[in-house]
Amino acid sequence: AQSVTQLDSQVPVFEEAPVELRCNYSSSVSVYLFWYVQYPNQGLQLLLKYLSGSTLVESINGFEAEFNKSQTSFHLRKPSVHISDTAEYFCAVRRGTGFQKLVFGTGTRLLVSP
Amino acid sequence: GAVVSQHPSWVICKSGTSVKIECRSLDFQATTMFWYRQFPKQSLMLMATSNEGSKATYEQGVEKDKFLINHASLTLSTLTVTSAHPEDSSFYICSAGSGGADPYEQYFGPGTRLTVT
Repeated sequence: AQSVTQLDSQVPVFEEAPVELRCNYSSSVSVYLFWYVQYPNQGLQLLLKYLSGSTLVESINGFEAEFNKSQTSFHLRKPSVHISDTAEYFCAVRRGTGFQKLVFGTGTRLLVSP
Repeated sequence: GAVVSQHPSWVICKSGTSVKIECRSLDFQATTMFWYRQFPKQSLMLMATSNEGSKATYEQGVEKDKFLINHASLTLSTLTVTSAHPEDSSFYICSAGSGGADPYEQYFGPGTRLTVT
């Protein structure tokens, strides 16, 4: 079985500061890794994903995440955050084949203040 | 592309009544849809996996007779909460696979807020 740990339930940061949201996973098989963002009272939006290939993946709005197999981590980073980045961020894993279920972490609330 | 809608976006019902939530893939066909439940300030928990034309597969601890799932077509899945109680109040989110570059990627609907009074 897979599991995901997001150690930080809330991360406060000032606008234009860098941020890192941590995600560690546990799995005995190869997995796909995802970051989703959820704005208040909305569903989840895919931010970025790692399936294979380059271990550094980027989103269109400046976020990036690096898959580290040895440390079983997939931390999310952004060099300069905006007020609009305030949201809940979920890390998720899925087994590598078939319609395997997504297993989510408990989420990290990013609070960006001016 | 790959848009998933849910209806209604919010619903209030009285204890003991049933409520149906629809999940539609608007611009693609989804052979598999997933239903999640999210309690306030908690993560999403998978309730069941729904395959078009067959019975849903429920996660351990989820009452299949209480949460009825029907996936009658490639674009529509429904979740019916039967005899709802206040503890069923939650945010219900569905997702569907699009068969795109990652044939197993899930696209999420906007969610349905259920409040049982």
